Amino acid sequence: GQQVMQIPQYQHVQEGEDFTTYCNSSTTLSNIQWYKQRPGGHPVFLIQLVKSGEVKKQKRLTFQFGEAKKNSSLHITATQTTDVGTYFCAGSNNAGNMLTFGGGTRLMVKP
Amino acid sequence: KAGVTQTPRYLIKTRGQQVTLSCSPISGHRSVSWYQQTPGQGLQFLFEYFSETQRNKGNFPGRFSGRQFSNSRSEMNVSTLELGDSALYLCASSIGTITDTQYFGPGTRLTVL
Repeated sequence: GQQVMQIPQYQHVQEGEDFTTYCNSSTTLSNIQWYKQRPGGHPVFLIQLVKSGEVKKQKRLTFQFGEAKKNSSLHITATQTTDVGTYFCAGSNNAGNMLTFGGGTRLMVKP
Repeated sequence: KAGVTQTPRYLIKTRGQQVTLSCSPISGHRSVSWYQQTPGQGLQFLFEYFSETQRNKGNFPGRFSGRQFSNSRSEMNVSTLELGDSALYLCASSIGTITDTQYFGPGTRLTVL
């Protein structure tokens, strides 16, 4: 079955440092979504990438979808304490009947 | 629009009991999915309902079941609870398919003693 791996599991950064989380799928994806879950909260949708090689930006967040549509990354520039939380990627299969979440990367930011 | 709501928010049960969790999706959303979230296993897909039919199912035992009503509200039932069922159960709704944007509810925190 489809597997989505996400690394690293945890990341501690000093406020102002950059942060990147990577997502890799065992199969080609139709699209990939990114979610953020604050401590004690629930996952909240951030963005969806559909096209091969697509790059999207949201302020300090940059999302990329690989050329082969099997991997993706989320990069945060100059982290802030408000970025704390767990970031999940979720890949959709080509049949459109499965959404598989990665294990998440927990980001901790030291002020 | 009101978001996804889940009731109850917290629940404590003992082994062997059964539990029913409820989810009301965003108005107009017809797909409702359920996920189990634990520290060790992340977000695990349980099942998805659309138009009162289970459309997709994850790899969980038959003790986990669900249903969807004509107004798209959904319930999830776990019978013969085990200690390992302690988790945050999240419901998510989307417009049409499981691969559309998922809008999550706040979850039900189930503790099995």
